[in-house]
Amino acid sequence: AQSVAQPEDQVNVAEGNPLTVKCTYSVSGNPYLFWYVQYPNRGLQFLLKYITGDNLVKGSYGFEAEFNKSQTSFHLKKPSALVSDSALYFCAVRGLYGQNFVFGPGTRLSVLP
Amino acid sequence: DTEVTQTPKHLVMGMTNKKSLKCEQHMGHRAMYWYKQKAKKPPELMFVYSYEKLSINESVPSRFSPECPNSSLLNLHLHALQPEDSALYLCASSQEPTGGTDTQYFGPGTRLTVL
Repeated sequence: AQSVAQPEDQVNVAEGNPLTVKCTYSVSGNPYLFWYVQYPNRGLQFLLKYITGDNLVKGSYGFEAEFNKSQTSFHLKKPSALVSDSALYFCAVRGLYGQNFVFGPGTRLSVLP
Repeated sequence: DTEVTQTPKHLVMGMTNKKSLKCEQHMGHRAMYWYKQKAKKPPELMFVYSYEKLSINESVPSRFSPECPNSSLLNLHLHALQPEDSALYLCASSQEPTGGTDTQYFGPGTRLTVL
């Protein structure tokens, strides 16, 4: 069975500082990993995904994520946080055979001015 | 263009009403999805349409009835809902139903309140 954990309910970071939102996963076979962001009362916006290849994936709005197979992690990062990055972030995993997305519980990011 | 549109944005209905949520995409995607999302929780999958046919129903009560009139449209018909059905209803689409690498693109959602 597939599962995703986001160990932090809330992450607070000062504007201009680097941010990390953590994600670990469990899936049979090779994982396909995704990050989405959700602003209040809005749908989910796709940020980036890992399929294969380079472990560092670059996505929208300056975000990137690092895939670590040995630690089964896919942490989301940004070198310099903006107040406008404050939102709810979801990690999701999908298995090799197209099983449906399994979302993590979400992490609320607050960037403080 | 990766836009999925949903109407209405907000809906308030009584428990005896019948209403419908609508979703549209023009990206040529062949898979469409309905999710239910409660506040501060991840989306929960309700239905999946693959090539306009219902392929997955995640044990959703019959008071929710999906319909896919064509490859661009997805409806969710609502009847005799309960207050606990109040939530954000999200539509999504992806290019291929069985592609593990496929990205799902989400609409903005319909905020449903059942009185």
